[in-house]
Amino acid sequence: GAVVSQHPSRVICKSGTSVKIECRSLDFQATTMFWYRQFPKQSLMLMATSNEGSKATYEQGVEKDKFLINHASLTLSTLTVTSAHPEDSSFYICSARVKIGERTGEEKLFFGSGTQLSVL
Amino acid sequence: KQEVTQIPAALSVPEGENLVLNCSFTDSAIYNLQWFRQDPGKGLTSLLLIQSSQREQTSGRLNASLDKSSGRSTLYIAASQPGDSATYLCAVRGTYNFNKFYFGSGTKLNVKP
Repeated sequence: GAVVSQHPSRVICKSGTSVKIECRSLDFQATTMFWYRQFPKQSLMLMATSNEGSKATYEQGVEKDKFLINHASLTLSTLTVTSAHPEDSSFYICSARVKIGERTGEEKLFFGSGTQLSVL
Repeated sequence: KQEVTQIPAALSVPEGENLVLNCSFTDSAIYNLQWFRQDPGKGLTSLLLIQSSQREQTSGRLNASLDKSSGRSTLYIAASQPGDSATYLCAVRGTYNFNKFYFGSGTKLNVKP
């Protein structure tokens, strides 16, 4: 299956600093990537849809200036948490939508391994 | 708005037992449904994908069914093993917004040796 690489896997930072998380598609081109946030024992919450070469689409309630998304190439999307605060501590996961059936148009979601962000 | 519910939230079974995980969704206008496995502190691994026109999909000891009209999907795990211990999530993709995937909160499975 398609491989989505996400780095770093864990970040501990001081309040007020910015943190960048990278999501790479290793063996395919991803025109669209998704960024999710997951709190302990809860499901994934879609934060934004990252589109290569254009602005990201943010979900309602997600601050665009807080969570900067850049999708400058077909294999890389980045999420920058600016001026991080303790309430931003969470598990962040990226995913890419991959077409697995040319004839049927079937698409699957493949996920990165996630980034645990802890803001002190 | 689509809502996805997974029951039970947690399940503990002895090794070798067959088990069923449930996923229900409120809007039957779905494009597909996907089952994932998540290990602690890790990302999600895709297990099975069922298109809206399909009734079930099988992979090894896993079998997923879909009843779109009743808004339900089940994931059947045969002959469970300790290595199956993880959280299992289902995600529904809507027909009208292809970028929207609605996730359930997961079922945490513990298979005891």
